[in-house]
Amino acid sequence: EVQLVESGGGLVQPGGSLRLSCAASGFSFSSYWMSWVRQAPGKGLEWVANINQDGSEKHYVDSLKGRFTISRDNTRKSLHLQMNSLRAEDTAVYYCATVSNWSFGSWGQGTLITVSS
Amino acid sequence: EIVLTQSPATLSLSPGERATLSCRASQSISSYLAWYQQKPGQAPRLLIYLASSRATGIPARFSGSGSGTDFTLTISSLEPEDFAVYYCQQRSNIFGQGTRLDIK
Repeated sequence: EVQLVESGGGLVQPGGSLRLSCAASGFSFSSYWMSWVRQAPGKGLEWVANINQDGSEKHYVDSLKGRFTISRDNTRKSLHLQMNSLRAEDTAVYYCATVSNWSFGSWGQGTLITVSS
Repeated sequence: EIVLTQSPATLSLSPGERATLSCRASQSISSYLAWYQQKPGQAPRLLIYLASSRATGIPARFSGSGSGTDFTLTISSLEPEDFAVYYCQQRSNIFGQGTRLDIK
């Protein structure tokens, strides 16, 4: 059974940093593109970033302007999102997800990031 | 940037009825469209990929159709657990704004 478990969320002040992690199990992690998708409270879904199987190719939503970095560790079957210069508008639940057939096949339960002073 | 527009914003139906949800792309996306279901407090769940292929474990009452710019998610006979928010998504990772399916 595919399992994705996010961690690292919490309350952070504007301008602060946070590193999210996603632990994967139950599938061949190193064979999949992986993504982060976020959802602000009461809002829709927004793709944040994705990364290819060996970490050599990364893509980000334009609005992030270089503040976030996606990475992965295939030996530990983990996905990460380093978030810097956080803003109030980054407040959201962040999901990690597998990517296949140009869609997000499996999702974690999400971790909540709240950016507030 | 390709924009996805879902309609209606809210759909109120009764169990047993047929639901038809629409997703329109601002330019052709071939068949690169997926549909997701999200219930309150839960992560989204993939229902349909590549416009018409059902994901693993998805009941046969869910079907997807369309290509180019116009796509449809059909739920043939609504079950109580189908009342949720539905999103479409295209290959450039853009999502539609969602359709809320409410119990009438």
